[in-house]
Amino acid sequence: AQRVTQPEKLLSVFKGAPVELKCNYSYSGSPELFWYVQYSRQRLQLLLRHISRESIKGFTADLNKGETSFHLKKPFAQEEDSAMYYCALLIYNQGGKLIFGQGTELSVKP
Amino acid sequence: DGGITQSPKYLFRKEGQNVTLSCEQNLNHDAMYWYRQDPGQGLRLIYYSQIVNDFQKGDIAEGYSVSREKKESFPLTVTSAQKNPTAFYLCASNLQLYSNQPQHFGDGTRLSIL
Repeated sequence: AQRVTQPEKLLSVFKGAPVELKCNYSYSGSPELFWYVQYSRQRLQLLLRHISRESIKGFTADLNKGETSFHLKKPFAQEEDSAMYYCALLIYNQGGKLIFGQGTELSVKP
Repeated sequence: DGGITQSPKYLFRKEGQNVTLSCEQNLNHDAMYWYRQDPGQGLRLIYYSQIVNDFQKGDIAEGYSVSREKKESFPLTVTSAQKNPTAFYLCASNLQLYSNQPQHFGDGTRLSIL
């Protein structure tokens, strides 16, 4: 079955602390994964995608096929990072739809 | 200012009533999608469309209908057959189906029952 799991509903850290938002997936094909972010009162927007292997706003995510994971990391959290984060898996054979995890709310306290 | 516009932002439905959610894009994208979001859950696909006059059911199409008469527009109708319509609805678009480019999302419409 195709599935994306984000085990933490809420993650609360202090400013300057490292943060890791977990994402695990289940997919028989070659996975293409994304992290989307939704800041308060803003639309859902792409944060990063694994094939780009880039760092956006200090966040990185590495695809680990052995552990079927795509965790999002940032070494030093900032208050402006507070938002909802969604991990998503691209399914080509159904119109290129995205399967989303349940989302993790990140709260960065001063 | 390119993007996806969804309207209205908030919508209320009475029992037995059909309501239509609007989605317009000026990105010249071929593919468009409708997702539903419930509290504590990820987004689930309702319908998607590759081109004008073509659309396919997603994972939770029952109780919904769509049309694609113009490339820019992909309205979603929530029919009276949808027994639990209260949710947040997101429209998205992409250059084309089967693209590995990221989807672009609208601001969403929150539908509630009166």
